[in-house]
Amino acid sequence: TQLLEQSPQFLSIQEGENLTVYCNSSSVFSSLQWYRQEPGEGPVLLVTVVTGGEVKKLKRLTFQFGDARKDSSLHITAAQPGDTGLYLCAGAATDSWGKLQFGAGTQVVVTP
Amino acid sequence: SAVISQKPSRDICQRGTSLTIQCQVDSQVTMMFWYRQQPGQSLTLIATANQGSEATYESGFVIDKFPISRPNLTFSTLTVSNMSPEDSSIYLCSAYSTGDYGYTFGSGTRLTVV
Repeated sequence: TQLLEQSPQFLSIQEGENLTVYCNSSSVFSSLQWYRQEPGEGPVLLVTVVTGGEVKKLKRLTFQFGDARKDSSLHITAAQPGDTGLYLCAGAATDSWGKLQFGAGTQVVVTP
Repeated sequence: SAVISQKPSRDICQRGTSLTIQCQVDSQVTMMFWYRQQPGQSLTLIATANQGSEATYESGFVIDKFPISRPNLTFSTLTVSNMSPEDSSIYLCSAYSTGDYGYTFGSGTRLTVV
């Protein structure tokens, strides 16, 4: 089983501040995804990164996949209360047949 | 990406009974999965639902407790059998299609066993 370590577990910041969430593993993933989940809802896919060193931007969110495809980060610039939620990283191994290994999640709270 | 309809959205059940959760996808998908999530925590894979054959279970999950069906490429069910309070959790189905690195999740079923 490939273990994905996600940090921090909890993050509380003021509106306008920046934040970064990390996802690390000792194993290589063929792809890595970031999700945001709100209470009472299923996880919603934010981005998928596939290539080592890849950087993707989604408005104020920047996602990076490590060169070795073992780690990833999510950076939010000028956070807003609407960014509040549980952020989950999930990796797919090359032989996983679509199965995802999830990190423990980071609860982000952005206060006005 | 596919859209998933999962039901029921929540239920309160008596211990010893069983609950069947349904997952309907609006298009044919390659893979379907069932996850369990404790509130505020991450997702744990229960099993892969295989079309026309027995599901593939992850360590710690067995068919007698969590029977799964997938009669076609758009529909699957998960049954939580002989429930106990420890089964109280959120259960989610997920769909994945070859060529699409993204996955879609249902909105989940919040189960409380009393």
